[in-house]
Amino acid sequence: NAGVTQTPKFQVLKTGQSMTLQCAQDMNHNSMYWYRQDPGMGLRLIYYSASEGTTDKGEVPNGYNVSRLNKREFSLRLESAAPSQTSVYFCASIDPGGVYGYTFGSGTRLTVV
Amino acid sequence: EDQVTQSPEALRLQEGESSSLNCSYTVSGLRGLFWYRQDPGKGPEFLFTLYSAGEEKEKERLKATLTKKESFLHITAPKPEDSATYLCLPEGTSGSRLTFGEGTQLTVNP
Repeated sequence: NAGVTQTPKFQVLKTGQSMTLQCAQDMNHNSMYWYRQDPGMGLRLIYYSASEGTTDKGEVPNGYNVSRLNKREFSLRLESAAPSQTSVYFCASIDPGGVYGYTFGSGTRLTVV
Repeated sequence: EDQVTQSPEALRLQEGESSSLNCSYTVSGLRGLFWYRQDPGKGPEFLFTLYSAGEEKEKERLKATLTKKESFLHITAPKPEDSATYLCLPEGTSGSRLTFGEGTQLTVNP
C-alpha cells in the first residue's frame, strides 16, 4: 500500500548511544517532515525538507540531524541520545498541491534510559 | 509569530450528543487549514483541508468550517468510534514551519 514507512517501530537506547530513524514514502511527494510527540505537548516539528537536497530546522531541532537521501527517503539521526529525547517520532510527507494533507507514518516509539 | 490554539482540551459526549471543537489561529497569510484525527498509538489521519473563509467540508458525521480567525469541527450525533484526538494545522505563506494545535481529546460514551 502507498504511504509513509518508518523503521524501526520501537527502540530502546542507552544515554549517549546514537541511532538513525528511517523514513520512506512512495507517493512521489516533494516535502517531508519529522515530528516528535510527547504526552501533553502535541506534535512538534523537528526538521523538514521542502524538496530533495534541502533541509531546514523546525521548532525543536537541537540534538538531531537529518539527511534527505533522495526524493523517497528522509532520515533522522540522534548522535548522542538523551532521556529528554524519549518520545514518539512521526515522519510525514505532503503532495505538491497540499490538497490531500500530510500523510503520516505509524511512528517510532523511542525510549532513552 | 504563527500560533494555534485548540479548545476544549478534552470533551466527553454521550452517543448522539452533538458538539463543536474549536481551532483559533494567527497565521501570516493562510494557505490552508488541515484537520486530522489521531487514534492512540497511531499517526494522524487526514480529514479535511479548508482554504478560504466561508468554506465548509463534510465527511460522515463531521463538518469543518473556516473563518478568518477560527475553524470549527462540528460533530453531529457522534458514535463511540468517533473517539479520538482531533488536531488542526494551519499553514501560512511564510513557509513550511508548521505548528499543530495540541488537539482536542474527544470521548464518546455509548
